[in-house]
Amino acid sequence: KAGVTQTPRYLIKTRGQQVTLSCSPISGHRSVSWYQQTPGQGLQFLFEYFSETQRNKGNFPGRFSGRQFSNSRSEMNVSTLELGDSALYLCASSLRHSQETQYFGPGTRLLVL
Amino acid sequence: EDQVTQSPEALRLQEGESSSLNCSYTVSGLRGLFWYRQDPGKGPEFLFTLYSAGEEKEKERLKATLTKKESFLHITAPKPEDSATYLCAVPSNSGYALNFGKGTSLLVTP
Repeated sequence: KAGVTQTPRYLIKTRGQQVTLSCSPISGHRSVSWYQQTPGQGLQFLFEYFSETQRNKGNFPGRFSGRQFSNSRSEMNVSTLELGDSALYLCASSLRHSQETQYFGPGTRLLVL
Repeated sequence: EDQVTQSPEALRLQEGESSSLNCSYTVSGLRGLFWYRQDPGKGPEFLFTLYSAGEEKEKERLKATLTKKESFLHITAPKPEDSATYLCAVPSNSGYALNFGKGTSLLVTP
């Protein structure tokens, strides 16, 4: 069974721009969660999508948003990029919800200049 | 407040030198504890899920154990390819998402 895939793998943007990241979950998994990982803060939960609905959201500003499609694929968007948004963005999928075993993708490394 | 603390932050071992990593948590009503391995620049790779005190799981040179307050990841006779950051996580009391510890960075030298 194919694992979680994320595209693109690397991105370089400048402050003020916006970015869209994509995630394809494991086939049959309906819950998709997004995390931000930085050296100082570790892994921090952004949001979870299930059946095309945002089910939960972490403590991040409204510049961070996402959506999920009927095939469970998900995208996250960051608008008005700031230097502090530089991080590894990880997508994780699970069968039903974000508190069971999650399987992570390889991540998208975002650098904001 | 939910809290997951991992120790040590970094560990350097010689090949073959066994040791243990610790993960302590303060969430109430534990509904699972997860161990992951993360290589530099990659996503975390799932290792184990433990659900109840006394439970143990093994995979190659790794064995995870769970008590009511903490979990240990025992590494027996490690090899250089075991070098990675090991993360533990527990379900948040908020009802969603996992709370991750900051991880233990393990380096195994030949």
